[in-house]
Amino acid sequence: EIVLTQSPGTLSLSPGERATLSCRASQSLRSSYLAWFQQKPGQAPRLLIYGASNRATGIPDRFSGSGSGTDFTLTISRLEPEDFAVYYCQQYGISPLTFGGGTKVEIK
Amino acid sequence: QLQLQESGPGLVKPSETLSLTCTVSGGSISSSSHYWGWMRQPPGKGLEWIASISYSGTTYFNPSLKSRVTISVDTSKNQFSLKLSSVTAADTALFYCVRSVGDRPYDIWGQGTMVTVSS
Repeated sequence: EIVLTQSPGTLSLSPGERATLSCRASQSLRSSYLAWFQQKPGQAPRLLIYGASNRATGIPDRFSGSGSGTDFTLTISRLEPEDFAVYYCQQYGISPLTFGGGTKVEIK
Repeated sequence: QLQLQESGPGLVKPSETLSLTCTVSGGSISSSSHYWGWMRQPPGKGLEWIASISYSGTTYFNPSLKSRVTISVDTSKNQFSLKLSSVTAADTALFYCVRSVGDRPYDIWGQGTMVTVSS
């Protein structure tokens, strides 16, 4: 199965700062089938990005995704208070679907 | 707007079978190109895909759980279900039902239902 490694484990930033989250795959992903999800405490994950760089419906443009092959990045251009959460990458191109271990973005 | 709602027992005894149902509202479970699935998240841990079923009835399983998992659809009730047999404490988790369309990722998630395995 494809192993996704997310880094860093925790990112401590202030509102207004830029957040850069990394996701590395153990093998190249087919057609960049890489998604990013946001999860807040007590809530289900919310799809942010699919196909590595496409924003899901209703997602603000401060969220952007990039990358291909084995290296992918989620960037939040300017952190809003509601953006502090855990972020997961997921590959959905090769079964079994797998998730990274998550990056927690916390308030500094 | 399509919504998903999980239901089932919150407590299951070790070695028994966990059974969950997901009710689909705001859309048809028979919609073309739709895939329905289950994810789980142990307390304080990450996400794991369990299984999925397509609009045509094709099933897909996580190999790590395949021997213990059954997934099915009841079109008359607009529901799909998960059964996980021979549960242990390691199966304690928040279970989510999910939907995807075509080759997109799972974009609609239920609110989740917590299942604890304990005697």
